[in-house]
Amino acid sequence: DTAVSQTPKYLVTQMGNDKSIKCEQNLGHDTMYWYKQDSKKFLKIMFSYNNKELIINETVPNRFSPKSPDKAHLNLHINSLELGDSAVYFCASSQVGRENPPLHFGNGTRLTVT
Amino acid sequence: AQSVTQPDIHITVSEGASLELRCNYSYGATPYLFWYVQSPGQGLQLLLKYFSGDTLVQGIKGFEAEFKRSQSSFNLRKPSVHWSDAAEYFCAVVISGGYNKLIFGAGTRLAVHP
Repeated sequence: DTAVSQTPKYLVTQMGNDKSIKCEQNLGHDTMYWYKQDSKKFLKIMFSYNNKELIINETVPNRFSPKSPDKAHLNLHINSLELGDSAVYFCASSQVGRENPPLHFGNGTRLTVT
Repeated sequence: AQSVTQPDIHITVSEGASLELRCNYSYGATPYLFWYVQSPGQGLQLLLKYFSGDTLVQGIKGFEAEFKRSQSSFNLRKPSVHWSDAAEYFCAVVISGGYNKLIFGAGTRLAVHP
């Protein structure tokens, strides 16, 4: 069984559209994350939820809205997509606590905005 | 501000040779340090972590890293590289705040010659 699964794997869409990426973890972890990896492989945290509560919200345009219906799921909805949103988005999970970094990452969703 | 620097963008080694990937951090308090590996098209996998205690930590896949406070470094090493080690390697630090906000370095791409 996949620990952290995210769908879709690839997403190609036009500017101005709204799209969602879904993430699910079956590890029983309390904390889930969204990371963005740009074309230069630079990774930056976007959001983190702990038990459905938003705990980290980086400087991300408000076109990006995470939603956590339960602690096993963290979805990412993006409104009015822009060219600069093209990147690979990774979901991850961990237990809470500084000694527990994101342990399991999904395989990423490559978003291409044309 | 907290930061992580990986001075080498790209490293090439021969199979069977030893490897050292450099990582320097900028952080006032005792850092929590991590190394991750990302294979092509995959998410990140945690190789090892350091919180306190013995400054030489062992990880998976035969990797180890040494924390040197005086040099603000946490270099990753492997005595004998295998072709399957070709990947992108990321050093990361967790900053304070109680939550797992990882700050990543820019990554080092490792190529392995047969």
